[in-house]
Amino acid sequence: AQKITQTQPGMFVQEKEAVTLDCTYDTSDQSYGLFWYKQPSSGEMIFLIYQGSYDEQNATEGRYSLNFQKARKSANLVISASQLGDSAMYFCAMREGRTGTASKLTFGTGTRLQVTL
Amino acid sequence: EAGVAQSPRYKIIEKRQSVAFWCNPISGHATLYWYQQILGQGPKLLIQFQNNGVVDDSQLPKDRFSAERLKGVDSTLKIQPAKLEDSAVYLCASSLAREQETQYFGPGTRLLVL
Repeated sequence: AQKITQTQPGMFVQEKEAVTLDCTYDTSDQSYGLFWYKQPSSGEMIFLIYQGSYDEQNATEGRYSLNFQKARKSANLVISASQLGDSAMYFCAMREGRTGTASKLTFGTGTRLQVTL
Repeated sequence: EAGVAQSPRYKIIEKRQSVAFWCNPISGHATLYWYQQILGQGPKLLIQFQNNGVVDDSQLPKDRFSAERLKGVDSTLKIQPAKLEDSAVYLCASSLAREQETQYFGPGTRLLVL
């Protein structure tokens, strides 16, 4: 089974609107972390936001927020007030195991977001 | 604070040739990762170092890929001989082995094997 599933290959959103990018995950670990990265056409992976499995509050970082629903094993990224510069690939990733064990990230296949005028 | 540095940014080689990539992690980051990202896919871990030691190289095609991390800082990834299917972006990342362990990525090296 896929550990990280991103079912939206592509999304369009109008400038200034909000958009939700979906991510579901599969793990039997009690302790894990969920990450979202942005990858513009230039290729670098830019860290956006992190949610730990024991965090009770949904993570927020500026215009990014993570809608974490543990029972459903989903960690959707919400981008508010979209900007043209948000056009990029977005990857959801998971680290399994407890913090401090320096575990690898498993990535989804990504969602390409296009922001339009 | 300087980010993760990688070179070269682009490389074109013919199959059966060899190639090497270099990575300098963020200062103080003990953990270093090499990922391979094939077009249309998410990155896949090739090898993970903790200081000088290898933590995970289970996905590294060891018949042709090798990597080392000298003195627990810089790292090189080598492919010899290259195959057409090695065409990909090679991403280096580093992290502190504590807190949320966010991995910070370099700009990547785009490899094209002809």
